[in-house]
Amino acid sequence: QVQLQESGPGLVKPSETLSLTCTVSGGSISSYYWSWIRQPAGKGLEWIGRIYTSGSTNYNPSLKSRVTMSVDTSKNQFSLKLSSVTAADTAVYYCAREGFIGVEYWGQGTLVTVSS
Amino acid sequence: EIVMTQSPATLSVSPGERATLSCRASQSVSSNLAWYQQKPGQAPRLLIYGASTRATGIPARFSGSGSGTEFTLTISSLQSEDFAVYYCQQYNNWRITFGQGTRLEIK
Repeated sequence: QVQLQESGPGLVKPSETLSLTCTVSGGSISSYYWSWIRQPAGKGLEWIGRIYTSGSTNYNPSLKSRVTMSVDTSKNQFSLKLSSVTAADTAVYYCAREGFIGVEYWGQGTLVTVSS
Repeated sequence: EIVMTQSPATLSVSPGERATLSCRASQSVSSNLAWYQQKPGQAPRLLIYGASTRATGIPARFSGSGSGTEFTLTISSLQSEDFAVYYCQQYNNWRITFGQGTRLEIK
């Protein structure tokens, strides 16, 4: 069974860069699309973007100027960087695996708070 | 961007009764539509994909229907564990989008 686990700082200062890593276990990271999705408290789900194991990416246009994703197949990990964060970026961040049937697997989520 | 609109925002239903949740897309998404269930403090769980196919391990009381722009999730006989928030999501476009969710609460 594929499992995903997010890791990274839970507190980031305004204007700094949010950095998260997702570790995939129970299967290979190769040949799949890996995504980041976030959810502000009490609100809905926002897709941030995806990366394929080749390194090709798609980003949500609303965040594209601030987002960078990368993948390390040797470690079965992929990562998210979101620059110039503000309080509006405070949310639970999920890493996930996208398939042709939707988002099949989700991490448990990690809360990132933007505050000084 | 394809906008997904769910209705109602909140649905109150008694255990054992049927619940019907709706999702509308701003343009056709064919059958590339998924439904998710989210309980407090948990990640969403894939229930339905392809508009009508249950994901692995999902009970038969969950069913999905529709195509194009109009979709429905039906829960035939509500169990206590079904009270949660439900999201629809389109994956017809590279930029996947979610509805705002329907909260299913106990009446």
